[in-house]
Amino acid sequence: QKEVEQDPGPLSVPEGAIVSLNCTYSNSAFQYFMWYRQYSRKGPELLMYTYSSGNKEDGRFTAQVDKSSKYISLFIRDSQPSDSATYLCAMSDSGGSNYKLTFGKGTLLTVNP
Amino acid sequence: GEEVAQTPKHLVRGEGQKAKLYCAPIKGHSYVFWYQQVLKNEFKFLISFQNENVFDETGMPKERFSAKCLPNSPCSLEIQATKLEDSAVYFCASSQFQDQPQHFGDGTRLSIL
Repeated sequence: QKEVEQDPGPLSVPEGAIVSLNCTYSNSAFQYFMWYRQYSRKGPELLMYTYSSGNKEDGRFTAQVDKSSKYISLFIRDSQPSDSATYLCAMSDSGGSNYKLTFGKGTLLTVNP
Repeated sequence: GEEVAQTPKHLVRGEGQKAKLYCAPIKGHSYVFWYQQVLKNEFKFLISFQNENVFDETGMPKERFSAKCLPNSPCSLEIQATKLEDSAVYFCASSQFQDQPQHFGDGTRLSIL
């Protein structure tokens, strides 16, 4: 079993839809949770960064962390064609892993105009 | 600078040749991380630095891979005697402190022929 599981999709939605992306993880030591967006031939771009359980909102993006269930989510409201990309969850802990990131496999999202 | 700068964008080498990749972290960032992305989104951690000191090298293949971060120079990742399996995109990321989010460059695509 991989440490971080993420449904690879692909996910196709119409413009304006609410998108829900999820990751589960097995390592209870993970404390830092990130969502990155990666366009083709580009590097991962940080979208959201959370440390604790709960919700964090930034514009059209909301990140949720549920440490008791080892489950994180990213919601995109009013999705736009420019949101079409691969979305990667990533996480790290402070102790044994020395802050290196463990990534999910990424979910490919297409938002259709 | 305000972005992580990686050079070159694309590097082609014959099997057995040497490859050297460069990374300039964001100005003021003390931590540099190298990752290898293979097989569509599988990220593998290689090595991290705190300024010019190795912070964590648990992901580095010992035999052919080496890396440095020297003062007033871009960080570098060098692969000796390249193999076909080294073909991948190599990403560099930097963070201000170890528990802060990592910001990625656009990667170097290494093709071994």
